Amino acid sequence: NAGVTQTPKFQVLKTGQSMTLQCAQDMNHNSMYWYRQDPGMGLRLIYYSASEGTTDKGEVPNGYNVSRLNKREFSLRLESAAPSQTSVYFCASTQGGFGYEQYFGPGTRLTVT
Amino acid sequence: GQQLNQSPQSMFIQEGEDVSMNCTSSSIFNTWLWYKQEPGEGPVLLIALYKAGELTSNGRLTAQFGITRKDSFLNISASIPSDVGIYFCAGRRLLNSGNTPLVFGKGTRLSVIA
Repeated sequence: NAGVTQTPKFQVLKTGQSMTLQCAQDMNHNSMYWYRQDPGMGLRLIYYSASEGTTDKGEVPNGYNVSRLNKREFSLRLESAAPSQTSVYFCASTQGGFGYEQYFGPGTRLTVT
Repeated sequence: GQQLNQSPQSMFIQEGEDVSMNCTSSSIFNTWLWYKQEPGEGPVLLIALYKAGELTSNGRLTAQFGITRKDSFLNISASIPSDVGIYFCAGRRLLNSGNTPLVFGKGTRLSVIA
């Protein structure tokens, strides 16, 4: 039981390049989330998917898109990376809606030059 | 957006000392969660609280859901070097429309001097 897994662990992009961050969970959770973590800013919600087939914007969605591919997988896409998107990205999941404990993946460290 | 005020921002303590940190909000929350994050890792859930006044322990860690439902506290007793990390509080509000996403404090960075 791996919990929440994320790939890649590290990535360097040039400004304007695109990439997709992958996330998968094997806990049969319904809800999945993408956060970014910046020094001194804590964790900020980018997008979430309350259930398979639905996605909603969080606090900082600009510059990102998401896809809930199936119940297990939730991907985050940067269409045209900017230096301001340099951050550590975490995926998380919960059993149901927002009312349960949330479990995090190990993170993807992204640098945009 | 909604923010939690977490304090202190950082702590340097001697091994064996007790630690206290807290989070406050201007809004009423129906859930409080406490996480620990070590360098290069994702946050790991330590304790979850669901009722006002609830006091829950996990080994040397004890957390409380404040009676006003606007705050929560985490205590670590007899600290050891592996307690080093960043501790985050997270809270969730219940609105008429249902539960809302978690909001996080900015973390308390704990350093333990052996």
